[in-house]
Amino acid sequence: DARVTQTPRHKVTEMGQEVTMRCQPILGHNTVFWYRQTMMQGLELLAYFRNRAPLDDSGMPKDRFSAEMPDATLATLKIQPSEPRDSAVYFCASATAGLSTNEKLFFGSGTQLSVL
Amino acid sequence: QQQVKQSPQSLIVQKGGISIINCAYENTAFDYFPWYQQFPGKGPALLIAIRPDVSEKKEGRFTISFNKSAKQFSLHIMDSQPGDSATYFCAASPKETSGSRLTFGEGTQLTVNP
Repeated sequence: DARVTQTPRHKVTEMGQEVTMRCQPILGHNTVFWYRQTMMQGLELLAYFRNRAPLDDSGMPKDRFSAEMPDATLATLKIQPSEPRDSAVYFCASATAGLSTNEKLFFGSGTQLSVL
Repeated sequence: QQQVKQSPQSLIVQKGGISIINCAYENTAFDYFPWYQQFPGKGPALLIAIRPDVSEKKEGRFTISFNKSAKQFSLHIMDSQPGDSATYFCAASPKETSGSRLTFGEGTQLTVNP
């Protein structure tokens, strides 16, 4: 059963520490999204990649957040230094994109981040 | 800029009743309108989706109604069941040659009482 795998599921850290979240997209999917979910803001798109190339990271605070795809099976989202306002659930989603299509997103179960 | 407005924020219905969630959008370039369902501790999952060339799409107990002129669409859940209790998100994306990027509504927490 193909699914998006995110690690860790939960992370508690102290302000100022580095946090790295990992995502394994579904095999064969060429588009990867990072979303952040909070009660106040709902689901916000942070960044997304197609064929490992970043297409848009305008939703991400550039000074502390970075997203990469070292290879087709791994996407990472890093926060350095972390702040309490970063506490949220971070979702990775993957999809297969074709020309002029609206792909179905498959979400992972998320990483619940708490920054104290 | 919030481009998709969703209401209500929360909804309580009795088992067997009809649940209705509404969304409105601003961007006339949107041409794909999915609904996602999210259970606690899980990521959202695609429930049903519609394109503006039709006014209604039905899949089982779930129906999307679409009003292009009003720029509104809604999700109807017929014969609501306690297992439908979840958070529902509407979303929209424009037609792009390079693929889509979804803008989500704020979400509606649905509770179906037994």
